[in-house]
Amino acid sequence: QSVLTQPPSVSAAPGQKVTISCSGSSSNIGNNYVSWYQQLPRTAPKLLIFENSKRPSGIPDRFSGSKSGTSATLGITGLQTGDEADYYCVTWDSSATSGDVFGGGTKLTVL
Amino acid sequence: QVQLQESGPGLVKPSETLSLTCTVSGGSISSYYWNWIRQPPGKGLEWIGYIYYSGSTKYNPSLKSRVTMSVDTSKNQLSLKLSSVTAADTAVYYCARRVIVATGNGGYYYYMDVWGRGTTVSVSS
Repeated sequence: QSVLTQPPSVSAAPGQKVTISCSGSSSNIGNNYVSWYQQLPRTAPKLLIFENSKRPSGIPDRFSGSKSGTSATLGITGLQTGDEADYYCVTWDSSATSGDVFGGGTKLTVL
Repeated sequence: QVQLQESGPGLVKPSETLSLTCTVSGGSISSYYWNWIRQPPGKGLEWIGYIYYSGSTKYNPSLKSRVTMSVDTSKNQLSLKLSSVTAADTAVYYCARRVIVATGNGGYYYYMDVWGRGTTVSVSS
């Protein structure tokens, strides 16, 4: 059971928009920055978003991130079939058992 | 550009020690933190721990008693050892560069910007 809660799956049609939520607590998302990773089938994860909402060079502006309180959200607009992947949120947990915590991952299906 | 390559035995017997190496090319290990992360078949990602190039470490509390990480700056390599393995340790193991940035207000943020392709380790007799 993951410390950060993500929906197991989301789906939308090509060209549409989708959001993926990541819910945590004050010991993790509430007081730390969130990053997001995309994992295409049979590949390593790839950085999509850092510092809650910033995109690394080469990541299209179709991908966006935000944070409010103890939740973070990844948004993807103009969905493409190539966006089908698993998406993970990550942050630091400052509780007694401190360390990186991952969401359980969300499988995006582009119908 | 920096590239990471994990390597090690693909099969380890139960109760033995899993040993993996991550070779960093195209850049230096120095001045960075380095993560180890694993992914059991069909499951999500799990943080194992990180190591700084100086050798300081931070481990996942759930694995701390069995994990040892080290760094060899002369070879630009990281290593991971996981002892007393069981079938639950079967996974793809990744190394990733951990970038830490200080913010203006005394805090910091971090992210993993470069990942290896991963190496599959199965625990079976």
